[in-house]
Amino acid sequence: PVLTQSPSASASLGASVKLTCTLNSRHDTYAIAWHQQQPGKGPRYLMKVNSDGSHNKEDDIPDRFSGSSSGADRYLTISSLQSEDEADYYCQTWDTGFGVFGGGTKLTVL
Amino acid sequence: EVQLVESGGGLVQPGGSLRLSCAASGFTFSDYWMNWVRQAPGKGLEWVANIKRDGSEKNYVDSVRGRFTISRDNAKNSLYLQMNSLRVEDTGVYYCATTNQLDYWGQGTLVTVSS
Repeated sequence: PVLTQSPSASASLGASVKLTCTLNSRHDTYAIAWHQQQPGKGPRYLMKVNSDGSHNKEDDIPDRFSGSSSGADRYLTISSLQSEDEADYYCQTWDTGFGVFGGGTKLTVL
Repeated sequence: EVQLVESGGGLVQPGGSLRLSCAASGFTFSDYWMNWVRQAPGKGLEWVANIKRDGSEKNYVDSVRGRFTISRDNAKNSLYLQMNSLRVEDTGVYYCATTNQLDYWGQGTLVTVSS
């Protein structure tokens, strides 16, 4: 697969968690986007993360959410976890002619 | 405010057809690539198709190529997905979304393919 995510993650209320999305070797310089899907809701774009680690976030996304990168890995870090952060998180990438998602990570806030 | 509103979903028998629509507002529709993404019940997100700003380029996931057709009408700020030869495995919520990085999403429309 182009994008690989761990199926699940968990962390305590108020703690931090770092979710990982790994690109395969053919696409390891690609930018990705992170999307959040809360239970029973549609997806919501969080940010784009570039291969150099830079990221751009929509203004309405809390500063608790940040992105980074290392090699073929793209990260989403959520600090000061709140109950509403419990959701599925998907990474996604694209090129001319295709789009693709990772399998998603289900985040549980303990 | 960007708004995307999908419509046209429903119950259809295998082999049947449906046409989904996505009404866009709050941005210059003709400036952006547009996408359809779907989600089967209890499953993850799957990119389905995209279309270039002027409609001159269209791309599809292999599982729908030849059965689905994406189109747009920039004068009406609308995106469409014509779905033919529907299969049970096409069941799910269909979302429209803007740009390559899908930075705005609609609320989705449910397509159920069942006999």
